[in-house]
Amino acid sequence: DTGVSQDPRHKITKRGQNVTFRCDPISEHNRLYWYRQTLGQGPEFLTYFQNEAQLEKSRLLSDRFSAERPKGSFSTLEIQRTEQGDSAMYLCASSFSQGSNQPQHFGDGTRLSIL
Amino acid sequence: GDSVTQMEGPVTLSEEAFLTINCTYTATGYPSLFWYVQYPGEGLQLLLKATKADDKGSNKGFEATYRKETTSFHLEKGSVQVSDSAVYFCALSEMRSGGYNKLIFGAGTRLAVHP
Repeated sequence: DTGVSQDPRHKITKRGQNVTFRCDPISEHNRLYWYRQTLGQGPEFLTYFQNEAQLEKSRLLSDRFSAERPKGSFSTLEIQRTEQGDSAMYLCASSFSQGSNQPQHFGDGTRLSIL
Repeated sequence: GDSVTQMEGPVTLSEEAFLTINCTYTATGYPSLFWYVQYPGEGLQLLLKATKADDKGSNKGFEATYRKETTSFHLEKGSVQVSDSAVYFCALSEMRSGGYNKLIFGAGTRLAVHP
């Protein structure tokens, strides 16, 4: 059973650098979500894709953030000109599109540390 | 907007003790409710869910009942084990106009079980 895969698991970078994370959802899942989790808090919604269409972006997603899902399969999240406040765990989740209460399945996340 | 409130941790118990983690929610509609568990260094795993009032979700000895009258979804387990030590997140699904749902999480409750 292949779950949601995220790469890299850890990223350490200097302030001002650009970073890109990748998420591979469960293969049958059309819905893909990105969340951000800061230390001691629950995850917060960032953005949602239905196939390749980005249907919602949170106001947490400033103009330094961009997400894509070019072929409706894997997704990337890029942060430009990173800041200290970007340090967090970035989680990807996917779910079936049939039905409105399908549970979301999470990857192990990418932990970003800004020096 | 919708929100979830969990009891603050850490919760420290001896093995075989009874566990309750309180969760209450505020929502305009009728959300589904979830409990997720996060082990150190990992992503979130779905523990159980309930989709309507009076539903009881259960898994691995954990239970939670959707109480609409008290807007609560408390997590219980009759006899905890050391392996249950983790952070537990209560979440609700906020339905969006596109038919998908985004999750709203509580801040999490850390559980530590000692032998």
